[in-house]
Amino acid sequence: NAGVTQTPKFQVLKTGQSMTLQCAQDMNHNSMYWYRQDPGMGLRLIYYSASEGTTDKGEVPNGYNVSRLNKREFSLRLESAAPSQTSVYFCASSEAGGSSYNSPLHFGNGTRLTVT
Amino acid sequence: AQSVTQLDSQVPVFEEAPVELRCNYSSSVSVYLFWYVQYPNQGLQLLLKYLSGSTLVKGINGFEAEFNKSQTSFHLRKPSVHISDTAEYFCAVSPGGSYIPTFGRGTSLIVHP
Repeated sequence: NAGVTQTPKFQVLKTGQSMTLQCAQDMNHNSMYWYRQDPGMGLRLIYYSASEGTTDKGEVPNGYNVSRLNKREFSLRLESAAPSQTSVYFCASSEAGGSSYNSPLHFGNGTRLTVT
Repeated sequence: AQSVTQLDSQVPVFEEAPVELRCNYSSSVSVYLFWYVQYPNQGLQLLLKYLSGSTLVKGINGFEAEFNKSQTSFHLRKPSVHISDTAEYFCAVSPGGSYIPTFGRGTSLIVHP
């Protein structure tokens, strides 16, 4: 099983450019998440989706949009990139959904984004 | 809202020595607790989890953690570390009834030969 697959692995953008980070999971998980990781800040939740067709804001949603295209795919879009969005972005999924809350997260290997 | 505090940002240790990585949380409801490990240039992977039952949980690679409800702690331990244990370790807490775990800021374990 591939688990959680993120593309691309690396990306360099100029300020103002847009891009979409792709994420797909093959574990039939209900919930999917986007996090950013910055030195000394740990993981901060950008958006999450508890089920197909639903999305909710996390701790740091400004400057981002998401789409839960189907149960497998959850994309993150930067409409107008800013240097403050330079970070490592992780997609994750979990079985959590319905009445099940205690499932761990499965992570992709990340996208390293630099905005100049 | 819950918070997670990992008390040490960096823990240097010599190979074959014991190690403890500390994690405290604040929550007014029952919680589920997790430790994740992140090796360089990789995503996080689950090390162990506490959902209910025995307060001592064992995980992969010889790690274990103890849930202490009165002290709201979930410290990670290993009796003898290897060079290959060098990585970033994250504690995470999910309150019952939520799909959203809160992560600590991470502890960098550095194992010296």
